[in-house]
Amino acid sequence: GNSVTQMEGPVTLSEEAFLTINCTYTATGYPSLFWYVQYPGEGLQLLLKATKADDKGSNKGFEATYRKETTSFHLEKGSVQVSDSAVYFCALINESWGKLQFGAGTQVVVTP
Amino acid sequence: GAGVSQSPSNKVTEKGKDVELRCDPISGHTALYWYRQSLGQGLEFLIYFQGNSAPDKSGLPSDRFSAERTGGSVSTLTIQRTQQEDSAVYLCASSLEPGLGNTIYFGEGSWLTVV
Repeated sequence: GNSVTQMEGPVTLSEEAFLTINCTYTATGYPSLFWYVQYPGEGLQLLLKATKADDKGSNKGFEATYRKETTSFHLEKGSVQVSDSAVYFCALINESWGKLQFGAGTQVVVTP
Repeated sequence: GAGVSQSPSNKVTEKGKDVELRCDPISGHTALYWYRQSLGQGLEFLIYFQGNSAPDKSGLPSDRFSAERTGGSVSTLTIQRTQQEDSAVYLCASSLEPGLGNTIYFGEGSWLTVV
């Protein structure tokens, strides 16, 4: 079956530091890949997505590249802000009817 | 409305009572999903509706859980004889149509606490 594995948190880092959250997946075929973010007290929001191999999704300074050869979709940001403190979820869709399979989530804490 | 709307936002109920959670998807979205988010369990898929097709109920944890979608729009998730392990955030989501590239939009969730 399909599965998504992402690094465990919490990840604590200082403002302006470089952030990487690793995500790998297991799926047959060619899934679409997503990063969702959940800010404190808020609902899930789509951060970025990529629908085919070598695509790069980007938004709000975050980037992730769909690497089929390593079945990965790592999230990166060059300089984090306190406002980036949130829980980040990697997810995939591997079937035409669109059920999202989520990773466990990674909490990121950015300190001033 | 502009987004997926869920009600109530918070619900505290006594063990053994029934609860109903409502979801109003984005207008025009044909696909509707229910997920559950609980500590230690992450995000679990519960049920999926697409148009007039039979719903995919493969994620419902027990027969105490049911959901319906009336008129292809509003959906209600019902939990009968609630148990403490049902305490969680219940998230509704919708998308324009199913498909690998379509974005799924989430509501802010209904926080359920069973005491």
